[in-house]
Amino acid sequence: DTGVSQDPRHKITKRGQNVTFRCDPISEHNRLYWYRQTLGQGPEFLTYFQNEAQLEKSRLLSDRFSAERPKGSFSTLEIQRTEQGDSAMYLCASNFVGQPQHFGDGTRLSIL
Amino acid sequence: DQQVKQNSPSLSVQEGRISILNCDYTNSMFDYFLWYKKYPAEGPTFLISISSIKDKNEDGRFTVFLNKSAKHLSLHIVPSQPGDSAVYFCAASAGGTSYGKLTFGQGTILTVHP
Repeated sequence: DTGVSQDPRHKITKRGQNVTFRCDPISEHNRLYWYRQTLGQGPEFLTYFQNEAQLEKSRLLSDRFSAERPKGSFSTLEIQRTEQGDSAMYLCASNFVGQPQHFGDGTRLSIL
Repeated sequence: DQQVKQNSPSLSVQEGRISILNCDYTNSMFDYFLWYKKYPAEGPTFLISISSIKDKNEDGRFTVFLNKSAKHLSLHIVPSQPGDSAVYFCAASAGGTSYGKLTFGQGTILTVHP
């Protein structure tokens, strides 16, 4: 059990650029979640997968955001045409159904 | 619409004393509740959970109490230790132990003084 791994840990980009984050869940966990956390707030749900199927997306999630989990293992979260308001910590979590979610250390995104 | 609220942004206690962190929720569909602890530059770490069919769950120094009628839960840490200093998040889910999406509170910064 090596834990949930996220890459990169930090990303600095200019407004309007596209960015992609990767999450490697704990091995064999069938569920994978993406959350976003801004300063002074708790994590906010974005989307989650069970195996390769995306089961739910937040209504707050702009269509500039897209997530995939092509083989039911790692996942990517892409943000197109980044905006200042996208600056946040992006957290990934995974679990087996019925067990608590385990979180990675996050990717901090800064938009210049 | 903040469905899970932690109204105390911070709490300071002396080592060895009890720490009590509070959380209120508004969504009646929530039936599973969790507490996470977060250190700087790390992701949240699961501490303890409680189902709505219970009113108390205990794990070592940590006890969670649930008052469904008041839509209120609390985390008690006894005795508090300096290593407990962290941000504590309350989270809730609907759908029992299927642990779907979590809705988090804003967090409470706990500082335990030696």
